[in-house]
Amino acid sequence: SQQGEEDPQALSIQEGENATMNCSYKTSINNLQWYRQNSGRGLVHLILIRSNEREKHSGRLRVTLDTSKKSSSLLITASRAADTASYFCATLNAGNNRKLIWGLGTSLAVNP
Amino acid sequence: NAGVTQTPKFRVLKTGQSMTLLCAQDMNHEYMYWYRQDPGMGLRLIHYSVGEGTTAKGEVPDGYNVSRLKKQNFLLGLESAAPSQTSVYFCASSPTGGDKNIQYFGAGTRLSVL
Repeated sequence: SQQGEEDPQALSIQEGENATMNCSYKTSINNLQWYRQNSGRGLVHLILIRSNEREKHSGRLRVTLDTSKKSSSLLITASRAADTASYFCATLNAGNNRKLIWGLGTSLAVNP
Repeated sequence: NAGVTQTPKFRVLKTGQSMTLLCAQDMNHEYMYWYRQDPGMGLRLIHYSVGEGTTAKGEVPDGYNVSRLKKQNFLLGLESAAPSQTSVYFCASSPTGGDKNIQYFGAGTRLSVL
C-alpha cells in the first residue's frame, strides 16, 4: 500500500523559478528519500534525509522534514528545463529496513 | 559502470504466454527488487530478495514468480500472462537494508499483454 502522498500531482513553472513539492506519510520512519524519474527511464536517487534531521541540501535541492507533521518538502531552486521529470518520495519505515514505501509522484514541467 | 541492467527493454505477449524478465546488477548488492509501475498507481513491489537463494512476496505478487540463484541476478517470471500484467517493470538493487536502503534502478521493461 502506498504511504507517501505527493502534492501537487502536477506542477508547471518557468525556467529560473523555484519548484516546491510536498510529501506526506503515515507512520514512523527511519528516513525519507526523494527520487527523480525522467520520461521513459528508471528512477534515480536524489537525496536522503534521516528522521533526526530537519533539513538537507544537495546542490540546487533542499529537503526539509517535519516528523511531527509527518511531511517533507523538496525545493528545486533556479529550475532548468532539464529538471522536467517526475519526483517521488519514498520512506523507510522504522523497524523495517527491507522495503521502501513509495508515493505516487509529482510531475514537474519546466518551460524554457 | 553498467549498474542495473534489465532485459528485454520491450516485449509484447499474447494472453497465456509465459516469459522471464532478467535483472542483473554488477554492484555486489545484497537486496534486489521487482516493481511494476502503472499510471496513477506509482511503484508497487512485486517480489524482493535479501540475498542469494532467498525471495519474499511484496505488495502485488500474484501471477509472478521470482528466483535469485546468483547474487547478481534476479529473474521475474510470468507463467501465464494476462492483460492486467501490461505495465512497465523496474528492477532495483540496494547494498543492504540498514538505515538507508537507497535503491538503484534499471531502465525498465515495457510489457504489453494482448
